[in-house]
Amino acid sequence: AQKVTQAQTEISVVEKEDVTLDCVYETRDTTYYLFWYKQPPSGELVFLIRRNSFDEQNEISGRYSWNFQKSTSSFNFTITASQVVDSAVYFCALSESNSGTYKYIFGTGTRLKVLA
Amino acid sequence: EPEVTQTPSHQVTQMGQEVILRCVPISNHLYFYWYRQILGQKVEFLVSFYNNEISEKSEIFDDQFSVERPDGSNFTLKIRSTKLEDSAMYFCASSLNTAAKNIQYFGAGTRLSVL
Repeated sequence: AQKVTQAQTEISVVEKEDVTLDCVYETRDTTYYLFWYKQPPSGELVFLIRRNSFDEQNEISGRYSWNFQKSTSSFNFTITASQVVDSAVYFCALSESNSGTYKYIFGTGTRLKVLA
Repeated sequence: EPEVTQTPSHQVTQMGQEVILRCVPISNHLYFYWYRQILGQKVEFLVSFYNNEISEKSEIFDDQFSVERPDGSNFTLKIRSTKLEDSAMYFCASSLNTAAKNIQYFGAGTRLSVL
């Protein structure tokens, strides 16, 4: 069965530290998509990145980078030089092609607190 | 930039009352979703909707729930007789299609409080 595990419930770092948020997924599908969303204190879900199962290239976008490793079923998210504005809950999500509707299965989220 | 709009932002209701949560998806999107997030917990899939019918629903989406796209722009979630455990944040999402562009864009959510 499909599942997303975010083992880190809460992480606190001091501003300018680097932080990595872990995401481990389970799926039987060969074609699937992984996502990261940010949920700031205001509550909305903000799309950060999508990665498909055939593309293991790591991606960097400014201070954000993602490491996708199929061998370990992980899709980790690193914030470099964290800032207070990065404080939020971050959700990893999985979407499978065999679900028909590509619904998302979310992890339980990691609350990141960046302290000034 | 196009966005998904949800109204109201906060709905308070008495147990047993009917509520309708409203969403305006991004205009050229074809797939619509409702998710629920109980306070402090993960976001859970409720239902997906395509071509004017439900395409998939979770076990949470029982007979008390229904969805509708009444006029080609709005997408609504109705809870017929609310229970205390329906208190949650409800998110609407839309996407262009399933495979090539299956990024779901979420609204800001409606917080439902059942008293």
